[in-house]
Amino acid sequence: GAVVSQHPSRVICKSGTSVKIECRSLDFQATTMFWYRQFPKQSLMLMATSNEGSKATYEQGVEKDKFLINHASLTLSTLTVTSAHPEDSSFYICSATPGTANTEAFFGQGTRLTVV
Amino acid sequence: QQQVKQSPQSLIVQKGGIPIINCAYENTAFDYFPWYQQFPGKGPALLIAIRPDVSEKKEGRFTISFNKSAKQFSLHIMDSQPGDSATYFCAARRQAGTALIFGKGTTLSVSS
Repeated sequence: GAVVSQHPSRVICKSGTSVKIECRSLDFQATTMFWYRQFPKQSLMLMATSNEGSKATYEQGVEKDKFLINHASLTLSTLTVTSAHPEDSSFYICSATPGTANTEAFFGQGTRLTVV
Repeated sequence: QQQVKQSPQSLIVQKGGIPIINCAYENTAFDYFPWYQQFPGKGPALLIAIRPDVSEKKEGRFTISFNKSAKQFSLHIMDSQPGDSATYFCAARRQAGTALIFGKGTTLSVSS
């Protein structure tokens, strides 16, 4: 199946700094990618929809100035957590779907962010 | 408002048992219903998916049963093994290009 690669898999940063997470579709083009956040023992909660060449669409309650999303190419979307705080510590996961038909969504391996 | 309701929250079965996980939805615009398996520290992986024009789909030991009129679907795992111990999520999607909406998850433990 298609592969979505996420980097880094783990990151520890100091409070107040920014962290960038990359999501790449390795063998297909994705005009749309999705970013989810997952707290321990909870479900995946959609944060935003990343659209290639245009602004991301954020879910209600997600601060767009804190979670910057850039989708500069058809194979790469980035999520930057700005001025990170301990409450931003979570598991961040991206997803992409090849093509426009109602096909399988592929997920990255996730990024464990710990803010100390 | 939770769009996809999943139960039970946790499940313990013995090896060889058949765990059943249930999901219900309200939005009749949903037309794609996948099940994902997630191990700790990993991203979710697709197990099996179904569309509402089919009442049942089987892939290996995994079966989805779908009841369109009741707006419910369930996952059955035949001959469960300890390696099946993981968290399972049902999900739904309205149309191509939109995000999956996940249930809250079921933690399955299969004892040997």
